[in-house]
Amino acid sequence: AQSVAQPEDQVNVAEGNPLTVKCTYSVSGNPYLFWYVQYPNRGLQFLLKYITGDNLVKGSYGFEAEFNKSQTSFHLKKPSALVSDSALYFCAVRDSGAGSYQLTFGKGTKLSVIP
Amino acid sequence: EAQVTQNPRYLITVTGKKLTVTCSQNMNHEYMSWYRQDPGLGLRQIYYSMNVEVTDKGDVPEGYKVSRKEKRNFPLILESPSPNQTSLYFCASSFSGTGVYGYTFGSGTRLTVV
Repeated sequence: AQSVAQPEDQVNVAEGNPLTVKCTYSVSGNPYLFWYVQYPNRGLQFLLKYITGDNLVKGSYGFEAEFNKSQTSFHLKKPSALVSDSALYFCAVRDSGAGSYQLTFGKGTKLSVIP
Repeated sequence: EAQVTQNPRYLITVTGKKLTVTCSQNMNHEYMSWYRQDPGLGLRQIYYSMNVEVTDKGDVPEGYKVSRKEKRNFPLILESPSPNQTSLYFCASSFSGTGVYGYTFGSGTRLTVV
């Protein structure tokens, strides 16, 4: 079975500082990995994905994520946080070798960027 | 504008009164899915559809029904809603179900069952 863990319910960071939102996953085959962001009263918006290729993936709004197969991690990063980055972030995984097409989401991490 | 449209955005209903939440996408996506979002539990998949007339259960299908008679529409039906179905519901679509493509989400439907 596939699973994803976001070990931090909340991350606080000062504006201008680098931010990291952690994600680890478990699959039996190769992972497809995604990050989504949810702003208040809105649906989820796609940020970036890792399917294959370079381990460092760049996405929307200056975010990037690094796929680390040995640590089964896909942490989301941004060099300089903005107050407008404050939102709920979800990591998601799909096992490319699995028979089903389910995308499993983590429980979410609330990011607060403090001015 | 490419989008997934859900209706209604907010709904308060009583236990046992059948309801339908509509979902429509204008991107000719093959794959559509319903999720519910609950505090501390993240998003859990209810049902998904790989294409017209092809649907399958997700992680939490009990108490829900779906249909996919047209490619663009994927309604979620609660035949006899109960208070434990109070939640925030999201419809999502993707070009295919292979997982290579990202999902486009609707704005959500906040359902309260009293």
